[in-house]
Amino acid sequence: QKEVEQDPGPLSVPEGAIVSLNCTYSNSAFQYFMWYRQYSRKGPELLMYTYSSGNKEDGRFTAQVDKSSKYISLFIRDSQPSDSATYLCAIAGYSTLTFGKGTMLLVSP
Amino acid sequence: DTEVTQTPKHLVMGMTNKKSLKCEQHMGHRAMYWYKQKAKKPPELMFVYSYEKLSINESVPSRFSPECPNSSLLNLHLHALQPEDSALYLCASSQAAIYNEQFFGPGTRLTVL
Repeated sequence: QKEVEQDPGPLSVPEGAIVSLNCTYSNSAFQYFMWYRQYSRKGPELLMYTYSSGNKEDGRFTAQVDKSSKYISLFIRDSQPSDSATYLCAIAGYSTLTFGKGTMLLVSP
Repeated sequence: DTEVTQTPKHLVMGMTNKKSLKCEQHMGHRAMYWYKQKAKKPPELMFVYSYEKLSINESVPSRFSPECPNSSLLNLHLHALQPEDSALYLCASSQAAIYNEQFFGPGTRLTVL
């Protein structure tokens, strides 16, 4: 079993839709969770960082962590074509990040 | 300022060349990282520097040689690379090496002929 599982997609939605992106992880020692957005041929951009179970909101983005189920989610409200990118979940261990494979999101106008 | 800068943006080199990639951050971060990313794959950790000392080397071939001259700068020296080393090379930094969120630079796209 891989440490972090993430569906690679692609996930295609119309503009304005609510998007749900998810990852599961296997190591209960993981404590810190991140979501990155990566546009084609660019570096990953940190979107959300959280270390506790529950929800964290930032504008149109909400990160959700359920440590009992080892499940993390990123919700995007009112999705825009500019949100089209690959979204990577990342989970922090000591000194290292374990990435999911990334989900490619396509938002059509 | 949450910016990590990397130079050059693009690099093409032959298998006998020697070149260097550079990374700089001015956020006062004490941990810096090199990653390699192939197309449609997540970043793959190569090296971690913590307080200017190499703390993790993920069994990277010796043709890649990292250097951390000071707390703001990170270099990656390249020598005798293979075509399969062609990839996007990403630098990242974090406040400390323990559990902190990492901020990535834009990357250097390397092509080895």
